[in-house]
Parts: sequence; structure tokens; C-alpha cells
Amino acid sequence: GAGVSQTPSNKVTEKGKYVELRCDPISGHTALYWYRQSLGQGPEFLIYFQGTGAADDSGLPNDRFFAVRPEGSVSTLKIQRTERGDSAVYLCASSSDRGEQFFGPGTRLTVL
Amino acid sequence: AQSVTQLGSHVSVSEGALVLLRCNYSSSVPPYLFWYVQYPNQGLQLLLKYTTGATLVKGINGFEAEFKKSETSFHLTKPSAHMSDAAEYFCAVSDASGNNRLAFGKGNQVVVIP
Repeated sequence: GAGVSQTPSNKVTEKGKYVELRCDPISGHTALYWYRQSLGQGPEFLIYFQGTGAADDSGLPNDRFFAVRPEGSVSTLKIQRTERGDSAVYLCASSSDRGEQFFGPGTRLTVL
Repeated sequence: AQSVTQLGSHVSVSEGALVLLRCNYSSSVPPYLFWYVQYPNQGLQLLLKYTTGATLVKGINGFEAEFKKSETSFHLTKPSAHMSDAAEYFCAVSDASGNNRLAFGKGNQVVVIP
């Protein structure tokens, strides 16, 4: 079956611009996670959804970052007023309740 | 808060030699422990995990890891390295009683020398 997909695979933007990153989880998975992986580092937790609601957003670095999952399936990570320090690979994972997390290939964001 | 320490960002191993990647964790509650592998241009793939029960855990591709509570460790081993094992490996911990969010180490880039 289809795994977790993320679009776009690469995104280049200019400092100050707004970007949206999309995640399509595995069908039927109720839990969805966003992580950010900077160069030379392991992934860092950003936000966790259980169904439509953000159950834990304590990893979001500041109020420029926001994520939604309006119908409990697809999720969008939104970054306002991008900064060069936002450049990283953004990973999405989904799981059934508290089961194994399956990761997507990531979106590489470059802020010039 | 939970955290993971992986020392030595780059690890070189000869083909056929033992692979040993060290992972130490910090957790105030019983942990769930994981090893993930990331091949170039691919997503993270679960190698193995420890939740409860047997402390020696076997995973895919001949890897195994042992949970040692007294040492707060979860080291990954493979008896004989293969060229296809060249990848980045991440150890991760989650809170067994929480929301399953993962805290990752910095990773080990494994290079296999023919």
C-alpha cells in the first residue's frame, strides 16, 4: 500500500516569504507527527495530531510556525516570514493510534 | 524530558567486521527505544524497537540491540558488516506513557570499507 507522501520534495524560497508543506499520511492512521531535521542533526519533534486536533504543539519553535489537519487526514505545516534558519528537511510521520511511526521522504526547505 | 546521546558522528567499519553503534538515553519514565536507518534520499525506516519484555531485540537486516536499564543504554550491533549497511543510523526514545513523540540522537553515518 501507499506510504506517507510529502509535497513538495524540495522548496526554495526567499527570506520573508510564506510557505506551506503538505503531508499525506497512510490511510486510516489517526496520529500524525511533524519533525524537523537540520543539517548534521537528528530529527526534532514539532507537533503531534490525534485526529483533527493538535494534541501536542510544544515543539513548534515560535509563532511563525503553524500546522493544521482539518479533516483528520492530510496535514499542512505553514511557516510565515521565513528565515534562513528555517532551512531544513521537514519530516512527516503517521501511525495508527500509538503504534509504529512511518515516515515520509521529507520536504527539503531552503530559505535564501 | 527525554534525550538520546550518540557519540561519534561518523563510524567506519570494514566489510565483514562487527558493527557497533552506541546509544545512551535519559528518561524519567519507562522508555520505548528505537533504532532507525536512513538511506540516501530515502525516509527513515524502523530497524528495531524495544517496548517491554525481552531486552535483546532483533530487527531487520541482521541487526540487534540490547536494552540495559542499569546502563541506560540501547546499543546496536551487527556481527558482519555488508556494503549495503552504509547509511545513517538514529537512536530514538519515546515516553511509554505519553503521546509517542520521538526524541532522536544526532545520528551515526556508517561507512563500510571494502
